[in-house]
Amino acid sequence: AQSVTQPDIHITVSEGASLELRCNYSYGATPYLFWYVQSPGQGLQLLLKYFSGDTLVQGIKGFEAEFKRSQSSFNLRKPSVHWSDAAEYFCAVGKTGNQFYFGTGTSLTVIP
Amino acid sequence: KAGVTQTPRYLIKTRGQQVTLSCSPISGHRSVSWYQQTPGQGLQFLFEYFSETQRNKGNFPGRFSGRQFSNSRSEMNVSTLELGDSALYLCASSRIRLAGGADTQYFGPGTRLTVL
Repeated sequence: AQSVTQPDIHITVSEGASLELRCNYSYGATPYLFWYVQSPGQGLQLLLKYFSGDTLVQGIKGFEAEFKRSQSSFNLRKPSVHWSDAAEYFCAVGKTGNQFYFGTGTSLTVIP
Repeated sequence: KAGVTQTPRYLIKTRGQQVTLSCSPISGHRSVSWYQQTPGQGLQFLFEYFSETQRNKGNFPGRFSGRQFSNSRSEMNVSTLELGDSALYLCASSRIRLAGGADTQYFGPGTRLTVL
């Protein structure tokens, strides 16, 4: 069965510190992987995606993610967090037919 | 290019009523998917429409239905509302439908449904 695990429910970091959000997936075929961000009361905004090729992908807002097939992971990173990055982050696996499986999300708090 | 739009943004209904939510995809996008988001269950896939046909369906009861029009706009309907149907309903559009994977989905702001 397909599934996505985000082990960290909530993370707190200081502004300017680095960030890594973990994501592990279980999927039988080649995974189509995505990271989305959601601010309160809003929809989901795409940060980045991985389909194939270079395993380190760059996204918007200074985010990047690395696909590691051997670890079934797709962790999201940012070298220096800004207060505006506080939000909920979702990792997703896209299945044939545009059916997405989402993780439970990681809530990020940024301390000034 | 305008993003995905959803109407209405907020809705309050009572148990037993029915509700229709609307979604207009990004221009040129032909696939529309619907998701339910709740604090307890997270984001769950409802169904996907492509070329006016439901192609994929999640594990929801038959009270949840949808349709897609020739201009790719989509509606979802929930009949006989229950308290547990209170949620944020998100619509997402994709340009194409890949045979071996998933195209990028772009989400609308959602419709917040409250069932009293």
